[in-house]
Amino acid sequence: EIVMTQSPATLSVSPGERATLSCRASQTLSSSLAWYQQKPGQAPRLLIYAASTRAPGIPARFSGSASGTDFTLTISSLQSEDFAIYYCQHYNNWPPGYTFGQGTKLEIK
Amino acid sequence: QVTLRESGPALVKPTQTLTLTCIFSGFSLSNSGMCVSWIRQPPGKALEWLALIDWDDDKYYNTSLKSRLTISKDTSKDLVVLTLTDMDPVDTATYYCARALGSNYYYAMDVWGQGTTVTVSS
Repeated sequence: EIVMTQSPATLSVSPGERATLSCRASQTLSSSLAWYQQKPGQAPRLLIYAASTRAPGIPARFSGSASGTDFTLTISSLQSEDFAIYYCQHYNNWPPGYTFGQGTKLEIK
Repeated sequence: QVTLRESGPALVKPTQTLTLTCIFSGFSLSNSGMCVSWIRQPPGKALEWLALIDWDDDKYYNTSLKSRLTISKDTSKDLVVLTLTDMDPVDTATYYCARALGSNYYYAMDVWGQGTTVTVSS
């Protein structure tokens, strides 16, 4: 079973600064890695799929990258609306299924 | 415009069976690459995937909950149903349905319903 470990659990960043969120897989994955943003009381929103492709309508300040078992979500210049919880998610081809990370809370410094 | 909406009981008793319905619009679950997934989130906790059904009526389940879960679809009515048997207080959560796209989207979940909150209590 694949385990997705996100770090840090909480990240404090000032508006306008860069935020870097990490997600590490317990084994080598395909590119089936997605990132979601969730604000309080709302459903998650897809930001990135296939590790580095922005979903339609997602601002260019959001970017994703991958290196081996390490995946990164970078927000280049934080806006007030970006403070939320971020989840990484892997889709396994066989047996089919999803694994979510435990989330990173991005808070205002 | 793609939308999904979950419905079901807000309160269930322990040992009862939970039945949730996801009514969607803006796409057809008959089309290749289309899937609907169920995910839940206990209060203050992370997301947990439950089940997925695809355009070909293939069904996949969270292995730890597989014995309790059933997912089905009614393509003519554009809905997906999830049942979870033998409910327990630890099953208290917000339950979401979401569209998942196969092929180039690697089954990412691109549109979510607003969620329905289920409390398990006697």
